[in-house]
Amino acid sequence: ETGVTQTPRHLVMGMTNKKSLKCEQHLGHNAMYWYKQSAKKPLELMFVYNFKEQTENNSVPSRFSPECPNSSHLFLHLHTLQPEDSALYLCASSRGLNQPQHFGDGTRLSIL
Amino acid sequence: AQKVTQAQTEISVVEKEDVTLDCVYETRDTTYYLFWYKQPPSGELVFLIRRNSFDEQNEISGRYSWNFQKSTSSFNFTITASQVVDSAVYFCALSEPNYGGATNKLIFGTGTLLAVQP
Repeated sequence: ETGVTQTPRHLVMGMTNKKSLKCEQHLGHNAMYWYKQSAKKPLELMFVYNFKEQTENNSVPSRFSPECPNSSHLFLHLHTLQPEDSALYLCASSRGLNQPQHFGDGTRLSIL
Repeated sequence: AQKVTQAQTEISVVEKEDVTLDCVYETRDTTYYLFWYKQPPSGELVFLIRRNSFDEQNEISGRYSWNFQKSTSSFNFTITASQVVDSAVYFCALSEPNYGGATNKLIFGTGTLLAVQP
């Protein structure tokens, strides 16, 4: 069983749809992260949660709404996305400061 | 501002060749961490190594070795006797300290695609 599980693996949605990405970590970590990976661009940090509290919002548009109900689960709610939001969305978790982040397989999102 | 540069976009080698992936970073912090991650075609980023700014010893792990040079702000990664399974995108990353909490912000380079041909 992988340490960080993301569902779904692939998602195709229209610009007016509402969907959610889910991330679950089984490593007992305290911090969880959402990243966006677009072609030919560095990974972009979107959100950071530490002990369920959001500690970082990297100027992400409000059409992306994160939710962290507990230290093991992280959601990314999507609403009215744009074609440029098509990317691989990666979830990660870490034990603490400057500890290695462990990543899930990602959700490949395509906006029609 | 912190920045990580991986100038090599793609590298192609033949199996059993040695290959070095370059990483140059910029930071004003005196305390920082450097990381290497591997991303195979499946998409998951796999952690390879973490190095703190006060430890300049080179590290070797099997066929992998890392050369940290603070004087040139570089943290290069060498694979000895490459294998087809090494084919992946490799990312170098810099950790920006966050003293206010228990999380850290990773700044990634654009990655180097390594293709190892049989």
